Amino acid sequence: RKEVEQDPGPFNVPEGATVAFNCTYSNSASQSFFWYRQDCRKEPKLLMSVYSSGNEDGRFTAQLNRASQYISLLIRDSKLSDSATYLCVVNSGRNFNKFYFGSGTKLNVKP
Amino acid sequence: DGGITQSPKYLFRKEGQNVTLSCEQNLNHDAMYWYRQDPGQGLRLIYYSQIVNDFQKGDIAEGYSVSREKKESFPLTVTSAQKNPTAFYLCASISKQGRTEAFFGQGTRLTVV
Repeated sequence: RKEVEQDPGPFNVPEGATVAFNCTYSNSASQSFFWYRQDCRKEPKLLMSVYSSGNEDGRFTAQLNRASQYISLLIRDSKLSDSATYLCVVNSGRNFNKFYFGSGTKLNVKP
Repeated sequence: DGGITQSPKYLFRKEGQNVTLSCEQNLNHDAMYWYRQDPGQGLRLIYYSQIVNDFQKGDIAEGYSVSREKKESFPLTVTSAQKNPTAFYLCASISKQGRTEAFFGQGTRLTVV
């Protein structure tokens, strides 16, 4: 079983739509959780960390469900510029020794 | 400006050659990582290092080697033993203090010709 699993998509949505991605992780002892954004042929960049209480940054909301071992990302009022691949990242190691990446969910926002 | 720098951006290798990819960071981060990404795939861990002069194999270490002689530098050598080296290689560093997200270099795209 993979450490981190994501629906690869693509999610094709119109501008202004709300879209949600989920990601499941296998190690219940995982400590830190993140969403990264990766544009085509570029390096991943941190979108937001995910906290137990949930957190929001503008149009983006991230939530963590430890009981069910998944994290989610909600994007409201989608923009064309949101088109990218979104990677779920989980730190499952003690002393920060292992970051595991999901294979990414591709989002296409269309006019 | 602090950051993590990979070079070269594009690299072409002949079959049977060893090549070394550079990764340098001036973020004073302790931990550094090398990942490989294939088209349409996620990142797979090759090697990581939590401290100078120490490193550990990741999930796909065969055909690769690394060194960590300085805190700032974590070069990756792709050896001739790596049978399918064409990929996008990403280096990352992480601080053990405070925020623990990974910072990435811009990547090296390696192609075997």
